[in-house]
Amino acid sequence: DAKTTQPTSMDCAEGRAANLPCNHSTISGNEYVYWYRQIHSQGPQYIIHGLKNNETNEMASLIITEDRKSSTLILPHATLRDTAVYYCIVRGPWGSGGGADGLTFGKGTHLIIQP
Amino acid sequence: KAGVTQTPRYLIKTRGQQVTLSCSPISGHRSVSWYQQTPGQGLQFLFEYFSETQRNKGNFPGRFSGRQFSNSRSEMNVSTLELGDSALYLCASSLLGSGGLYTQYFGPGTRLTVL
Repeated sequence: DAKTTQPTSMDCAEGRAANLPCNHSTISGNEYVYWYRQIHSQGPQYIIHGLKNNETNEMASLIITEDRKSSTLILPHATLRDTAVYYCIVRGPWGSGGGADGLTFGKGTHLIIQP
Repeated sequence: KAGVTQTPRYLIKTRGQQVTLSCSPISGHRSVSWYQQTPGQGLQFLFEYFSETQRNKGNFPGRFSGRQFSNSRSEMNVSTLELGDSALYLCASSLLGSGGLYTQYFGPGTRLTVL
């Protein structure tokens, strides 16, 4: 799976849009970009995924650059409950993990929403 | 739909004992994966089961084992517990979608403390 690079931490004011960047310059053509978040001591929560088109759901929007080497997760109106560690993961289809499947979590971005 | 459930939520054991953790996936999901999360190593993939068969395994010693039942429920077992096994153990289930899409949904985790 392609390696991802994310900032260690970010701050955002409550009510503003939070934009979380992720670099994945070695992404392959069949690899998806997934975003998860983890609120302290809880299980990771799936947010959104995409292949090459921009995606939006009730939680967030995912913007993937045309060359697919980077992406941005956008939380449109951040609230205090959005404070969490956000993980950007690049992953191929199931069974393409080379014998060790599963999601590879890096250190993520600690997003702190300020009141 | 009910989410992934894990029992027990908290567990305290002593060195040398063994422990069994249980996971019930989202209804209809046949893939169950287990992860270990520690402050030092982060989230690491343990193994994955699909249709009662272990499909993939991460880099953990043989003391860590698991199984999956015909109803897709899964258990993981850790024998001869060590202090370093203290961690949050997370279970994730997946409905393998078209193209092998690999979205995983996580449970709340079991917090294991080894004394």
